[in-house]
Amino acid sequence: EAGVAQSPRYKIIEKRQSVAFWCNPISGHATLYWYQQILGQGPKLLIQFQNNGVVDDSQLPKDRFSAERLKGVDSTLKIQPAKLEDSAVYLCASSPSTVPYEQYFGPGTRLTVT
Amino acid sequence: GDSVTQMEGPVTLSEEAFLTINCTYTATGYPSLFWYVQYPGEGLQLLLKATKADDKGSNKGFEATYRKETTSFHLEKGSVQVSDSAVYFCALSDRGGGNKLTFGTGTQLKVEL
Repeated sequence: EAGVAQSPRYKIIEKRQSVAFWCNPISGHATLYWYQQILGQGPKLLIQFQNNGVVDDSQLPKDRFSAERLKGVDSTLKIQPAKLEDSAVYLCASSPSTVPYEQYFGPGTRLTVT
Repeated sequence: GDSVTQMEGPVTLSEEAFLTINCTYTATGYPSLFWYVQYPGEGLQLLLKATKADDKGSNKGFEATYRKETTSFHLEKGSVQVSDSAVYFCALSDRGGGNKLTFGTGTQLKVEL
C-alpha cells in the first residue's frame, strides 16, 4: 500500500514570496491533516479535512495560509506572503474513517524562509 | 486545553541499556494515547497506542501503559539497539475534538555501541 506522498521535499524562498505544498493521502482515507513542525517542537495541527470539508482550522493563520482539498483526495497548502517564522517542516497525514485516531504521516516538506 | 509533556533530550544510551522516556498529559475527557517515532530523514510513524486506562501498547520491543491515575504514558524498552536512534513523540487524541493529535516536543534518543 502506498503511503502519504508530499512534494516538494525541500523549498527555500525569500520572505514575502508565496509557496505551495502538495499532499496525496493514502487511497480511501477520508480524513487529511496538515501539521506545522517547527525545529525542536512537536507537530501542530493547522487544518483538518473530512473528505473535502474543513473540520478544524482554528490554528491556521488565515491571513496568509490557505488550504484546499478538491474532490476529497489531494490537498494543497499555500502560504502567501511567507514570513521568516514560517520556516518549518510541513507534514501531511491521513486516517481512515474506520480508525480515525490512527494517522499516517508523509515525509514532510522542509521550508526555509530567508 | 490538551497538552503533553515529555522529558527533554537528547537521551544517550549504550546498546542493550534499558530505556524510559517519560510522558505526562493533561486532557479533558478520556483521550487515546500514542507514541510516534521519527527516524532520521523519514516521516512520523505510529509506534504504539492505548485507547483506555490500564491498556498496554506494545510494538518492536517497546511498551507503554496508560495510567489514568498519574496521567502518564511512559515509553520503555528493555534493551535498546543502535537502530532505535530516533526522535520519539508522545501524543494524545481527544475523541471529542475531531481526533486531533496533540504532540509533545519530542525526545531524541541516541544509542551508541
